[in-house]
Parts: sequence; C-alpha cells; structure tokens
Amino acid sequence: DQQVKQNSPSLSVQEGRISILNCDYTNSMFDYFLWYKKYPAEGPTFLISISSIKDKNEDGRFTVFLNKSAKHLSLHIVPSQPGDSAVYFCAASTGGSNYKLTFGKGTLLTVNP
Amino acid sequence: DAGITQSPRHKVTETGTPVTLRCHQTENHRYMYWYRQDPGHGLRLIHYSYGVKDTDKGEVSDGYSVSRSKTEDFLLTLESATSSQTSVYFCAISRDRREQYFGPGTRLTVT
Repeated sequence: DQQVKQNSPSLSVQEGRISILNCDYTNSMFDYFLWYKKYPAEGPTFLISISSIKDKNEDGRFTVFLNKSAKHLSLHIVPSQPGDSAVYFCAASTGGSNYKLTFGKGTLLTVNP
Repeated sequence: DAGITQSPRHKVTETGTPVTLRCHQTENHRYMYWYRQDPGHGLRLIHYSYGVKDTDKGEVSDGYSVSRSKTEDFLLTLESATSSQTSVYFCAISRDRREQYFGPGTRLTVT
C-alpha cells in the first residue's frame, strides 16, 4: 500500500516557466513533508520541507504548498532553469522519535532551454 | 554538504556471497538509515539506527542485517546476496530532525 504517491513519472517544462510537481498521501498521521532532488549517480539532496501546521513554505525559487484536507502537496519552481532537471522525491514523516521517512516514487523533471 | 561517505561505491558480486556496505559520517548525527533505490519503487527503507547498537527494521529488511558499533559507522550486510538485491544503496543521517542527508550511494550488482 503506497502511502505517498507521485502520480506523474515525468514532467517537461520550458526554461523560465513554472514547474509544478505534485504529491498525494494517504496516511493522516503524516505531519511533516519534504522534497528531495536527485541527479543521476548522486545521492538525494534535501530541498525544502513543510510542517502540517503550515500551508506554505518558500525558499528562493522553491515553494511548497500543503492542502491537508485534500492530503496533497505540491512543489512550485519559479522560474525553472535547466539545472533543475532531476528526479524529485516527495517524502513524509509521522513524527515520533525515529524520524523515519516514507518516499514517493519520484517525478523526473526536464527543463528545456 | 553533510560529511557522509559510502564504500565501496561500486561492487559486482556473485549470488550466494556475503557483502558488506559501509556508511561513515563525520557529523556525529544520532540517526542513520539504509535505503535502496530501484526503478519504479523510489527509495525504500531497509534498516535504521537510533544510536550505537540500537537498530530496527524498515519496510524491506528481509535478507539484510546491520550493525552500528560506533556513532560514525553503520554497516549493511547481505548475508547471501541474491539477484533481487541488485540495486543502488543509499545511506542517510539525521540529527534529531526530520531532514535526512544522503551519501553518494553504492551501486551493487549481483550476478
């Protein structure tokens, strides 16, 4: 049973436009959400996170939106750059003391020049 | 970047042989994790550690064991490697926070 779902395996956008990556979750106990970026042959890199007490968190070109009632979050990248081309993973945590993360399967973003 | 190294970075081994992957950190973080990444599956947790000699299973722990005798080292052992364990393995660390920081990965091929 997949608790974190990224239903779009891939997304292609033009440089300078907005990229919107989506993530849905089923476990209502998740209270913290993270996005990671991964380039080929490298480890995932932490990008941005959001607590369930917020509905928006912004860091430079990256903004994460959380809709708890819909169990949905999205990552907006504005403006998109070719260097943003990577696989993006959504992850969620239920808290507790072990800080375990549950990951989605990832979305491959391609930003075309 | 967090100080995490993984060794070896690449390994080819035969079915039935034991394999040990090492994760080493210089950050003194309490929590350490082993994941595997496979096409169509994303990142799946194998085992994790919440302190020296304190470990627990993740969602895909069958066929794997771990040990942590020092804060800085977390070892993942495949007692008898199988072809289904061909994967890319990532170690991650965390310090009492939700964010985890990942190592560069080990690509393991079991023939």
